[in-house]
Amino acid sequence: DAGITQSPRHKVTETGTPVTLRCHQTENHRYMYWYRQDPGHGLRLIHYSYGVKDTDKGEVSDGYSVSRSKTEDFLLTLESATSSQTSVYFCAISAGGEFHEQYFGPGTRLTVT
Amino acid sequence: SQKIEQNSEALNIQEGKTATLTCNYTNYSPAYLQWYRQDPGRGPVFLLLIRENEKEKRKERLKVTFDTTLKQSLFHITASQPADSATYLCALDDNQGGKLIFGQGTELSVKP
Repeated sequence: DAGITQSPRHKVTETGTPVTLRCHQTENHRYMYWYRQDPGHGLRLIHYSYGVKDTDKGEVSDGYSVSRSKTEDFLLTLESATSSQTSVYFCAISAGGEFHEQYFGPGTRLTVT
Repeated sequence: SQKIEQNSEALNIQEGKTATLTCNYTNYSPAYLQWYRQDPGRGPVFLLLIRENEKEKRKERLKVTFDTTLKQSLFHITASQPADSATYLCALDDNQGGKLIFGQGTELSVKP
């Protein structure tokens, strides 16, 4: 998985609790992304980062926030988890350049009860 | 906004045959289009990229075509093997730099 780790790999949490997912890369890539993948929707971009402290919203950013204080770490926070945020979350990285091919982590399966 | 359509129905083929998967987009022509493979329980893996000025790209048993008139890319796997069974995603740039839009993927099953 191209030097990308995600933690935790599985999590069950209750509605209303805050949750933070971590993505860590060892590739020194500039771009990092958070996606969620749900049946019938495919991969949808939540937030992405184009450098330390530089982030922007994706297609489905409501209810999520991110932070990137170091090149290697990109954190995704669910401020108050809801059942609709039950999903598989993937982190991806890209070196940028002309074509932005992305390399994905192993995913985190999050269940909100 | 840009939309991508891939066959939602699974594609079942016999080992040794050529698998052909379709990716259609609706609006502006992207500068490039990418194909990924995803196995169950794992993240997508980058396979191939084709630029808008390229008609065809090959890599081993894989071939990708890009028709900007039809707004379509075709992904071919020749001499398919059961190990090729996976979901294949197409993705294209969203014209905003650094972001991709992914299709929902087509599941391919290659039977021995």
